[in-house]
Order: sequence, then structure tokens, then C-alpha cells
Amino acid sequence: SQTIHQWPATLVQPVGSPLSLECTVEGTSNPNLYWYRQAAGRGLQLLFYSVGIGQISSEVPQNLSASRPQDRQFILSSKKLLLSDSGFYLCAWSVLGAASTDTQYFGPGTRLTVL
Amino acid sequence: KNQVEQSPQSLIILEGKNCTLQCNYTVSPFSNLRWYKQDTGRGPVSLTIMTFSENTKSNGRYTATLDADTKQSSLHITASQLSDSASYICVVSQYGNKLVFGAGTILRVKS
Repeated sequence: SQTIHQWPATLVQPVGSPLSLECTVEGTSNPNLYWYRQAAGRGLQLLFYSVGIGQISSEVPQNLSASRPQDRQFILSSKKLLLSDSGFYLCAWSVLGAASTDTQYFGPGTRLTVL
Repeated sequence: KNQVEQSPQSLIILEGKNCTLQCNYTVSPFSNLRWYKQDTGRGPVSLTIMTFSENTKSNGRYTATLDADTKQSSLHITASQLSDSASYICVVSQYGNKLVFGAGTILRVKS
């Protein structure tokens, strides 16, 4: 069966510090991968998605970047965190090239607090 | 503008009671609609998915309805349990697998 991991589960970082959040998927090959941010009381906002190694699409201009160094690894990074980067970050995967009815499966999330 | 509006924003019910959550959307072109359950501090988990031609879908005590003409969906929870306490998120998909998320309804079931 497929599983998705994210770490760390929680993170407290000072403003201006770097960030690296990791997401890995097991039990599937060539997945679509996604990074979302969820602010309190708001819907999930798609940040990045990837359809393959080294292929990253950004949905919104921001202080963050993403990379996919391996097929089942997706990394969210920042060189200098802002207060507005605080939030709940979710990684998700779906079957590559599937019909639009396919479901996205979410990881457990990372709670980031920037102070 | 593609939007998904959910109501109520939050809801408190007694254990054993039924409740209905609402979702209105303006997403076009419409592909499908999903309801997710998100426990506090966890990732969302899919409950149901409905395409344009489906108007009802059940998953245990959860029943989702879809009216594609009025662009409305509801999630009905029967005989609520304490474990139903969570955020319920309505997600509408455009063709091309672009998803538009609602802000969610926070449900609290009290004993």
C-alpha cells in the first residue's frame, strides 16, 4: 500500500532563517506531487506541483521554492523565512496521468511557526 | 472567479444527532467534487467523490449529494459520533486536475 511521510511534524524558526521540509512517498512510482499551505480558517492553497523529477510548477509567487531530486521525494525550501510563511504545510500525491477523477492523498502535515 | 463556499463555518452537535454541511461552488469547467475529512493537525482524507452525472454518494454514515445545475453539494452525517469531530472540506476539481478548496466546516460532536 502507498504511504506518504512528512517531516518534521512541527517546526519553530526565527525570521530570516532557512527552511527545508521533506516529503516522501512509498508504494507507488511516478506520482504527481503537491505542496499546499493551509492558513487558519482558510482553504488549502496550492504552492507547487510536480509531474516528474526536476519538473516543478509554481502556482503563486512567493518566498518559497520546491525541488524533486528523486521520483518519490519532494522538498519545500526557503532561504529566508518571513512571518507570513507560518502555517500548516501539506504534501500530497496522486497517480500520474490519471483521469481528473483521481484523488489526491495527503501527508500528515508540518506545522511551521515563524517568530 | 473559481470559488468554493462552505457553510456553516463551524457547528456543534450532540452525539447521535444528524447534521448537514453545505458547499456552493462557481468552479468551471466542473470535473468532480470531493469531500475530505481533516482531523486536527492531520492531512485531509477523502470521504466521497462525485462526477457531473452522480447526484449522491455514500460512505458509511456519510452521504454526499450534488446538484450540478445549482452548483451545490451537501454532506449529511447520520448518527454522529465523537470521532466525527473534524474539519470537513469541499474540493471542486476543474478539468486538468486543478483543485479549488473550500475553507472547511469545523464540526464538533459533544457527548
